[in-house]
Amino acid sequence: GAGVSQSPSNKVTEKGKDVELRCDPISGHTALYWYRQSLGQGLEFLIYFQGNSAPDKSGLPSDRFSAERTGGSVSTLTIQRTQQEDSAVYLCASSPGLIGELFFGEGSRLTVL
Amino acid sequence: QKEVEQNSGPLSVPEGAIASLNCTYSDRGSQSFFWYRQYSGKSPELIMSIYSNGDKEDGRFTAQLNKASQYVSLLIRDSQPSDSATYLCAVANQAGTALIFGKGTTLSVSS
Repeated sequence: GAGVSQSPSNKVTEKGKDVELRCDPISGHTALYWYRQSLGQGLEFLIYFQGNSAPDKSGLPSDRFSAERTGGSVSTLTIQRTQQEDSAVYLCASSPGLIGELFFGEGSRLTVL
Repeated sequence: QKEVEQNSGPLSVPEGAIASLNCTYSDRGSQSFFWYRQYSGKSPELIMSIYSNGDKEDGRFTAQLNKASQYVSLLIRDSQPSDSATYLCAVANQAGTALIFGKGTTLSVSS
């Protein structure tokens, strides 16, 4: 498809388990973002990738969270030792390079029991 | 901590009326401002951007920016039930690496 693709769309896991969320951005988009949205909360910035530059990791809430982007395309967000407060919708967005023009995927809903 | 503040609403307007959505931001150095619309259960989509003081019009939408007052607004003229959604104000950080989003204002347009 032409849009941002995220998988899985839903993930239920037990507290303490590790999870991986995948994002496939729009072809040709150089910038990739991860956000999360909890019930009743706004979008919380997590991490930003731009081309081959060092990522902006300033939004990652703890060292249990990490992300990588391989070959300037697909990105994986990894959450280790999940906690209940990690439950949220994790949104990936890509951009052709102009800050602000973000195209979001449909999100991965994570539920930690 | 850079902040973007919005009234959560809900803001209720009748069909055909003007809906006015407001947003304030804390970083005086911010230069780029955006409005996103998010339908229930869906992802946000960009509807307007504004970079200079004053008004910017696009169809039924007008974005207004006042950097001195650190204030951004979105006016929706001739509101339609299909405009019912949550409207998110977003401000780019000075590094240009992230958008900081407000929590959104929920708009309900009744027919």
